[in-house]
Amino acid sequence: LAKTTQPISMDSYEGQEVNITCSHNNIATNDYITWYQQFPSQGPRFIIQGYKTKVTNEVASLFIPADRKSSTLSLPRVSLSDTAVYYCLVGGRDSSYKLIFGSGTRLLVRP
Amino acid sequence: DGGITQSPKYLFRKEGQNVTLSCEQNLNHDAMYWYRQDPGQGLRLIYYSQIVNDFQKGDIAEGYSVSREKKESFPLTVTSAQKNPTAFYLCASRPSGGADEQFFGPGTRLTVL
Repeated sequence: LAKTTQPISMDSYEGQEVNITCSHNNIATNDYITWYQQFPSQGPRFIIQGYKTKVTNEVASLFIPADRKSSTLSLPRVSLSDTAVYYCLVGGRDSSYKLIFGSGTRLLVRP
Repeated sequence: DGGITQSPKYLFRKEGQNVTLSCEQNLNHDAMYWYRQDPGQGLRLIYYSQIVNDFQKGDIAEGYSVSREKKESFPLTVTSAQKNPTAFYLCASRPSGGADEQFFGPGTRLTVL
């Protein structure tokens, strides 16, 4: 299973764009990259998923370079309510009934 | 509404007692998971199940047991052998195969007195 590495914490201000990068050097061919958001005392919530290049939805974008050894979650114009922990997971069709969460990145958005 | 329910939300246990945490899903998902989360930490996998009557140990299975007799239910028992069971427990489910995301329940906070 591919191990992921993320920054422990990040600070930002309201209205800024936030980019959180995840390293996954041992990603397998069939692995997808998925990001979750977690608020205190709640279960994680799916944000976005991608395989390669760029994926965008209503809340975030996910950038994946050609070698797929890293990925970047981009949150446009963050607000205070985006203060949460963000987890990057790598897994897919063949490998990942056993999904492993890393330590996550604690994002603090300041007024 | 489709989703995952966990009960109870808060649970208190005396040392030496076994306790069972409930997890039910009506999403028709084949795979179910149990995670443990300690304060300020990430999620750690306890057990997972791909199909009914089958389950596998995760990274921290010692002191825990599970059963999967029905597709929609995956209860977790915290036994007296678990030395430090006070934590936040999260259940999740996922469709079989594919790369679909996990859906999480609201969690159960277990405190050992």
